[in-house]
Amino acid sequence: EVQLVESGGGLVQPGRSLRLSCAASGFTFDDYAMHWVRQAPGKGLEWVSGISWNSGSIGYADSVKGRFTISRDNAKNSLYLQMNSLRAEDTALYYCAKGSDMIVVVNYFDYWGQGTLVTVSS
Amino acid sequence: EIVLTQSPGTLSLSPGERATLSCRASQSVSSSYLAWYQQKPGQAPRLLIYGASSRATGIPDRFSGSGSGTDFTLTISRLEPEDFAVYYCQQYGSSRNTFGGGTKVEIK
Repeated sequence: EVQLVESGGGLVQPGRSLRLSCAASGFTFDDYAMHWVRQAPGKGLEWVSGISWNSGSIGYADSVKGRFTISRDNAKNSLYLQMNSLRAEDTALYYCAKGSDMIVVVNYFDYWGQGTLVTVSS
Repeated sequence: EIVLTQSPGTLSLSPGERATLSCRASQSVSSSYLAWYQQKPGQAPRLLIYGASSRATGIPDRFSGSGSGTDFTLTISRLEPEDFAVYYCQQYGSSRNTFGGGTKVEIK
């Protein structure tokens, strides 16, 4: 059974940093691209970032480019999102999602975690 | 970036009725790389359809997807009580993944 478990969310002040983690199990982690998708309270879904199986291809939404960094550790079956210079508009539930492809970072998402909540407020 | 517009915003129907949800793209979606997701309150999204018309594993056959180019449709042939939820389309045919704004299917 595929499981994706996010952690690392919390309350943070504007301008500060936070690092999210996603622990994956139930599939061969290094066979797939992985992604972060967020959902602001009461709003729709927004793709944030994706990373190919070997970290050779990485993509970001324009809204986070230059502030967020995605990474993965295939030996630990883990995905990360380093979020710097956080803004109020980054407040959202952040989902880890398994991509449908190995190489490209434009995928559909066939499994999702339950999300970790990030609140940016003073 | 491809912008996806979903309509209607809300669909009010009764169990047993047919639901037709629309997703329109601002430019052609390459190779029909269009997916549909269902999201219930307090839950993560669930993949229903990929490649515009292929059902994901375990998805009942009352869910069907169709379309190509810029116009796509998700059809639920006979609504079951568990189908009342928000539905999102997503394209993965360009350099960025993008989602539509969602359609809420509510009980009439």
